[in-house]
Amino acid sequence: GAGVSQSPRYKVAKRGQDVALRCDPISGHVSLFWYQQALGQGPEFLTYFQNEAQLDKSGLPSDRFFAERPEGSVSTLKIQRTQQEDSAVYLCASSLGHSTNTGELFFGEGSRLTVL
Amino acid sequence: QKEVEQNSGPLSVPEGAIASLNCTYSDRGSQSFFWYRQYSGKSPELIMSIYSNGDKEDGRFTAQLNKASQYVSLLIRDSQPSDSATYLCAVNNSFGNEKLTFGTGTRLTIIP
Repeated sequence: GAGVSQSPRYKVAKRGQDVALRCDPISGHVSLFWYQQALGQGPEFLTYFQNEAQLDKSGLPSDRFFAERPEGSVSTLKIQRTQQEDSAVYLCASSLGHSTNTGELFFGEGSRLTVL
Repeated sequence: QKEVEQNSGPLSVPEGAIASLNCTYSDRGSQSFFWYRQYSGKSPELIMSIYSNGDKEDGRFTAQLNKASQYVSLLIRDSQPSDSATYLCAVNNSFGNEKLTFGTGTRLTIIP
C-alpha cells in the first residue's frame, strides 16, 4: 500500500482482556516504531525495530506489553491483561532506516484502544 | 524535567500574522530536531528538520536551532486557517538509534 496501515482502527476491550494491534509498514522501510499517544499528549516512544531486530524496547510500560516483527515487515503490538490506563491511540511509524537518518517517520492513522 | 518541553497553548494567531512556536530540550547530546504537524484526529506528519545551529527556511516555515540554549523554534509566516493544528517538537538524542522523543505539542489556532 501507499502508506502505513494499522488495524483495527478502533478497539474496545474489557479490563483483563488481551489485545493485538497490527501494523503494516511502507514497503521497503527498514525501521518500524510503536508510539502511545494519550489524549492531549505527544506520542510516547514504546519500541523500535530495524528489520526483524528489536533494537530498543525501553518505552514499553510493563511486561504486559510485547511487540514483534518476525519477518522484518508486519509488526504486532500485544497487550496482555489490559488495564484502563492502557486506553490511548497506538501509533505505528516506519522509516527508510538509519542510513538515511532523515528523522522522517511516516505514521499510520493509529489504533484507538478503549479499555472499559 | 521532561526531555522535550513545549507550551501546550492554545496559541491563537490572526490570519496573515507570524506564528511562533517554541521548544526546549534537556539532553545536550541531542543530534537532530524535527517539527511535526498533527491535525485533530490524524497522525503526525513531518514538516521541518534541522541539524545545525541557525535558521532553515522552507516556504512559509522557518526552523531555528540554538544548541547552546537547547532551544528550537518554528516560525510560520503568513499564517493560514489550514495551519491550525498541533505542532509537535521532536528530538533525536541517541546516536545510531532513530528513536524520536516528542514534546506534548502546542495547539495553534489561526483566526480568520
